[in-house]
Amino acid sequence: SQQGEEDPQALSIQEGENATMNCSYKTSINNLQWYRQNSGRGLVHLILIRSNEREKHSGRLRVTLDTSKKSSSLLITASRAADTASYFCATAPTQGGSEKLVFGKGTKLTVNP
Amino acid sequence: KAGVTQTPRYLIKTRGQQVTLSCSPISGHRSVSWYQQTPGQGLQFLFEYFSETQRNKGNFPGRFSGRQFSNSRSEMNVSTLELGDSALYLCASSVPGQGSGTGQFFGPGTRLTVL
Repeated sequence: SQQGEEDPQALSIQEGENATMNCSYKTSINNLQWYRQNSGRGLVHLILIRSNEREKHSGRLRVTLDTSKKSSSLLITASRAADTASYFCATAPTQGGSEKLVFGKGTKLTVNP
Repeated sequence: KAGVTQTPRYLIKTRGQQVTLSCSPISGHRSVSWYQQTPGQGLQFLFEYFSETQRNKGNFPGRFSGRQFSNSRSEMNVSTLELGDSALYLCASSVPGQGSGTGQFFGPGTRLTVL
């Protein structure tokens, strides 16, 4: 079963605007990761934030993590048409010794030129 | 370094048949995980192998199995295929220890269609 839930399920914006996606999860985690998937292809790792971190930046990406609310957000600034993809959050549960990730159902982002 | 490769990329089978999918991880990555992606259930963890041992298993029936070889390459097998097994099967490799900060590296997937 899915642990994470992304919100919104779909998002359509214009080029240059910012896109914000949210993720909620249910259990304790070691870290939370965001991935991008272009239509029907493999996932690309975007950013990882550890449970003891609150905010992380990578280029045009900004991720926040609130472990008390069990939620995270991904902000893509100054979006481009090439950002059109599905975005998934994935959590790494605290029970150790495994690389298992639990994925949410994703947010489908469309950036219109 | 070459990325994660999966073969074949596309596969069409009929109900009752069995199928074997292959995954070659990034050189030096000893952990290989498999995921099933369907429109209804999303991305679901199948199993993970590390040093030829299954380290974790998802909630899938025994028809789904896998193995890892000494060179870290991995295969997964699905026996007695059902229509519901139609999915994109993704393989991911990583350096064990999620504190590495690099996440997992995914292959392009194998699209399995069961008729």
